[in-house]
Amino acid sequence: GQNIDQPTEMTATEGAIVQINCTYQTSGFNGLFWYQQHAGEAPTFLSYNVLDGLEEKGRFSSFLSRSKGYSYLLLKELQMKDSASYLCAVMDSNYQLIWGAGTKLIIKP
Amino acid sequence: ETGVTQTPRHLVMGMTNKKSLKCEQHLGHNAMYWYKQSAKKPLELMFVYNFKEQTENNSVPSRFSPECPNSSHLFLHLHTLQPEDSALYLCASSQGLASSYEQYFGPGTRLTVT
Repeated sequence: GQNIDQPTEMTATEGAIVQINCTYQTSGFNGLFWYQQHAGEAPTFLSYNVLDGLEEKGRFSSFLSRSKGYSYLLLKELQMKDSASYLCAVMDSNYQLIWGAGTKLIIKP
Repeated sequence: ETGVTQTPRHLVMGMTNKKSLKCEQHLGHNAMYWYKQSAKKPLELMFVYNFKEQTENNSVPSRFSPECPNSSHLFLHLHTLQPEDSALYLCASSQGLASSYEQYFGPGTRLTVT
């Protein structure tokens, strides 16, 4: 079966750095996405990785290792507004997105 | 403003009712999706339309019936639902089905089946 694993919940301090991990087992691989979802709102796109390595976009970076079936989302200089759920999703060989259950990130002052 | 709107935002219906969810995208995209989001569970893809043609139906019960009259509008018709169908229903669109196209989501319809 296809499976995406990510921690259920993480807590971090304002101004700090947090890394959210995602491991996957899918039938084929056509890219990995990270989305942010604030409570009661729609998911919004953060990043896309299809090749191994690190993609940096401002305070957010995303890393991919296809051989390990592993990705992480790195958030720097955390702000209170970063409190949200972070969803990892992999596009499989049928070009369908397989989603993880999301990691709820709690930022404390 | 994501460019994808959904109505209604909240819906309470009995198991014998018939209702419809509406989604409209203003982004000029060609693909549209229906997802079900239940608490602490992964997003479940229900239906995919590309250029108004349904390309995927992920074993969704027939009490859910999609309709895509054009590339900008998507409906989800509901009838004789069960309490376990209570969830957030999200509509999304993308430029196409290729892997690099991110999906843009609407705010969702919170459905409660009583």
